[in-house]
Amino acid sequence: QQQVKQSPQSLIVQKGGISIINCAYENTAFDYFPWYQQFPGKGPALLIAIRPDVSEKKEGRFTISFNKSAKQFSLHIMDSQPGDSATYFCAARFQTGANNLFFGTGTRLTVIP
Amino acid sequence: GAVVSQHPSRVICKSGTSVKIECRSLDFQATTMFWYRQFPKKSLMLMATSNEGSKATYEQGVEKDKFLINHASLTLSTLTVTSAHPEDSSFYICSARGVQGTSSYNSPLHFGNGTRLTVT
Repeated sequence: QQQVKQSPQSLIVQKGGISIINCAYENTAFDYFPWYQQFPGKGPALLIAIRPDVSEKKEGRFTISFNKSAKQFSLHIMDSQPGDSATYFCAARFQTGANNLFFGTGTRLTVIP
Repeated sequence: GAVVSQHPSRVICKSGTSVKIECRSLDFQATTMFWYRQFPKKSLMLMATSNEGSKATYEQGVEKDKFLINHASLTLSTLTVTSAHPEDSSFYICSARGVQGTSSYNSPLHFGNGTRLTVT
């Protein structure tokens, strides 16, 4: 059972455009929602994260929008650059317990010059 | 920031042999380490949770006798793929969480750079 659903599977954006990736979850016990960026042959690297008491978090060109009532959150990449081309994973974590991450299925982003 | 080192980055082995992958937390003590497996163009699949000084907890469908996990110290966990078969070929990634009560406990999970295992 996929705890976190992610879309789209792949995304092509023109340089300078906005990339938007969406995720949805069911379990309201999740309390931490990070986004990871992964380049080929590398491990995931934390990009930005949000907790459910905040509706938006911005770090540079990256913004997370969080809708607690809809149980959805999204990543917006402003002014997308070719160097942003990577696979992006959303994830969710419980407040208690093993504390492991439940990952979305990933979005392969390609930013074309 | 927290750094997790994984070694080796790539390994090729013959069918039937065993391969050991190391995961080290370089600048913090990790009570818990997680081992993931990732197939090409797929998401990360949690294999097991490794707690220092105790037996690992394996996810459903993961053979504990095939994927041996040892977490003997607060900075090192190892995954040994025993009697490897070609279908074990995959990208294996570890991540680590710090000691409860320290700043690294509630911090985001940090990942190693992964190990590409190819079994011929």
